Amino acid sequence: DAGVTQSPTHLIKTRGQHVTLRCSPISGHKSVSWYQQVLGQGPQFIFQYYEKEERGRGNFPDRFSARQFPNYSSELNVNALLLGDSALYLCASSFDPGETQYFGPGTRLLVL
Amino acid sequence: GQQLNQSPQSMFIQEGEDVSMNCTSSSIFNTWLWYKQDPGEGPVLLIALYKAGELTSNGRLTAQFGITRKDSFLNISASIPSDVGIYFCAGQLISGTYKYIFGTGTRLKVLA
Repeated sequence: DAGVTQSPTHLIKTRGQHVTLRCSPISGHKSVSWYQQVLGQGPQFIFQYYEKEERGRGNFPDRFSARQFPNYSSELNVNALLLGDSALYLCASSFDPGETQYFGPGTRLLVL
Repeated sequence: GQQLNQSPQSMFIQEGEDVSMNCTSSSIFNTWLWYKQDPGEGPVLLIALYKAGELTSNGRLTAQFGITRKDSFLNISASIPSDVGIYFCAGQLISGTYKYIFGTGTRLKVLA
């Protein structure tokens, strides 16, 4: 079975631009969580979605938004990019919000 | 952002040696996970712990869920060069969001 997939793998943007990151969960998993990992730190929770509804939000500004589609895939959107948004963005899927999470390879975003 | 205290921060060991690392928090968790992350990739799940006091093994890896539910440790026996990487603990809060809080990471380097 395929694991969690994310696209694109790498992305370069400039300040003020908008970005959309995509995630496809493991087949059968209905919950998707997004994390931001800055170099040298552990992942920081951004959002959790389950059955297309937001179930949790981390301490991130409103420039960050996400949604989950009927096929349980998800998008993370970041508006008005700042240099500090440069990071590895990780998607994790689980059968439901309380279950063990499995991570994708991440999307590395560089904001210039 | 919130992160768990993980120690040691980094360690150099000789091939064949045993390794211990731990994670502590002031919060109570209902699940502890241990991940390994290689450069540029997403974290890979090593061990999941679901009950206080639980001791679980996965090959040369052994992890325990602390009795107080505020800590966990990971042991690696007879280390080999491919054990090199960053190890993260993650605790799931007992709250409605089910979000995971990650540790600061332990960078392991194995000398052949």
